[in-house]
Amino acid sequence: SAVISQKPSRDICQRGTSLTIQCQVDSQVTMMFWYRQQPGQSLTLIATANQGSEATYESGFVIDKFPISRPNLTFSTLTVSNMSPEDSSIYLCSVNAGQGVGTQYFGPGTRLLVL
Amino acid sequence: AQSVSQHNHHVILSEAASLELGCNYSYGGTVNLFWYVQYPGQHLQLLLKYFSGDPLVKGIKGFEAEFIKSKFSFNLRKPSVQWSDTAEYFCAVRRKAAGNKLTFGGGTRVLVKP
Repeated sequence: SAVISQKPSRDICQRGTSLTIQCQVDSQVTMMFWYRQQPGQSLTLIATANQGSEATYESGFVIDKFPISRPNLTFSTLTVSNMSPEDSSIYLCSVNAGQGVGTQYFGPGTRLLVL
Repeated sequence: AQSVSQHNHHVILSEAASLELGCNYSYGGTVNLFWYVQYPGQHLQLLLKYFSGDPLVKGIKGFEAEFIKSKFSFNLRKPSVQWSDTAEYFCAVRRKAAGNKLTFGGGTRVLVKP
């Protein structure tokens, strides 16, 4: 398994500002993922971040709004830019770990409220 | 497009009742299947997974799930629930052809009354 930590655990932000969320994993992993869980809804994949390459974004998500960094095999950041109340969500970091294709594990999430 | 359907959005039952949550996915091919659970105020945890082999898989906390390929289903079951099983349950499907990305169902909120 993998142990994942995220910072901050929660934040309240003003519209128009940006927030950077950090994700730290206790082991080296190739693939890291960022998800969004809007209130009362399921998880939606934002992007896949592989070390040494640009992140791959899912339909409906763009780099300008959600820039991602992946400087090494244990760390990634997701920035939520120019926030609006619609960005209020839980943002989760996830990694594949284990043998073969592995199993996907999730961090505790960052609960974001945009006023 | 890949989709995962969970039939029930909310389930309310009493302790000791049996639980079955449905999950269907929309396409063929080789898949990996997962059930995750999110207890109130906690983060997402893996309940069980199916990669290959015996289609009946057992997970933590007395949960099991059965993969029925012909029905494109992976239903979760527990014979006797406890109050502590109150949580939201998510089915997820992964396909190598889709870059090993997970696609989640909409989730089922389960409330177990003491």
